[in-house]
Amino acid sequence: EVKLEESGGGLVQPGGSMKLSCVASGFTFSNYWMNWVRQSPEKGLEWVAEIRLKSNNYATHYAESVKGRFTISRDDSKSSVYLQMNNLRAEDTGIYYCTRGRQWYFDVWGAGTTVTVSS
Amino acid sequence: DIVMSQSPSSLAVSVGEKVTMSCKSSQSLLYSSNQKNYLAWYQQKPGQSPKLLIYWASTRESGVPDRFTGSGSGTDFTLTISSVKAEDLAVYYCQQYYSYPFTFGSGTKLEIK
Repeated sequence: EVKLEESGGGLVQPGGSMKLSCVASGFTFSNYWMNWVRQSPEKGLEWVAEIRLKSNNYATHYAESVKGRFTISRDDSKSSVYLQMNNLRAEDTGIYYCTRGRQWYFDVWGAGTTVTVSS
Repeated sequence: DIVMSQSPSSLAVSVGEKVTMSCKSSQSLLYSSNQKNYLAWYQQKPGQSPKLLIYWASTRESGVPDRFTGSGSGTDFTLTISSVKAEDLAVYYCQQYYSYPFTFGSGTKLEIK
């Protein structure tokens, strides 16, 4: 079964940091681009970041709203993708989904992990 | 950024009825070199994560029932459910992947009468 499982969410104060993890199973992880997509009642679904393959030198892309604050990375040996989030803001609150990219659309989604930025 | 607009925001239909919902993009999603529209549709049922239904505007994902049909080109797209079932209760989102940043519409909520 193809599966993505996120972890690492929780409550953090504004200006704080948090690292999300996502472990994949059921497919050859190293063959797929991976993304993070978040969802909030205020902004709806919002693409956050993408990381490509080793053959693409692990190229990354980010939404402007998180550029310079968030870093996406991957460890193919652990079938895992990560999202390091620094200088968190209230507007970063939401459910963060790990997604598998297939030619830029998202064909597998995890169940999500909730991030709350509040004092 | 490409803005995706969906309408209606919600609709209520009876089981067995045909449903159409619209998605419009602020610029064309048709890539001239391959004549493909860079648009996907997702279904999000209550309490669940989104699920891919349609990509390239009209290609149904494996396992998706054939009552779901995507159509359109350029800036105007439609998702049609030919005969709604109770299990289709969900919010439907369109997403463009023509250019970064990828953007989603605000969704159409389908309710069953």
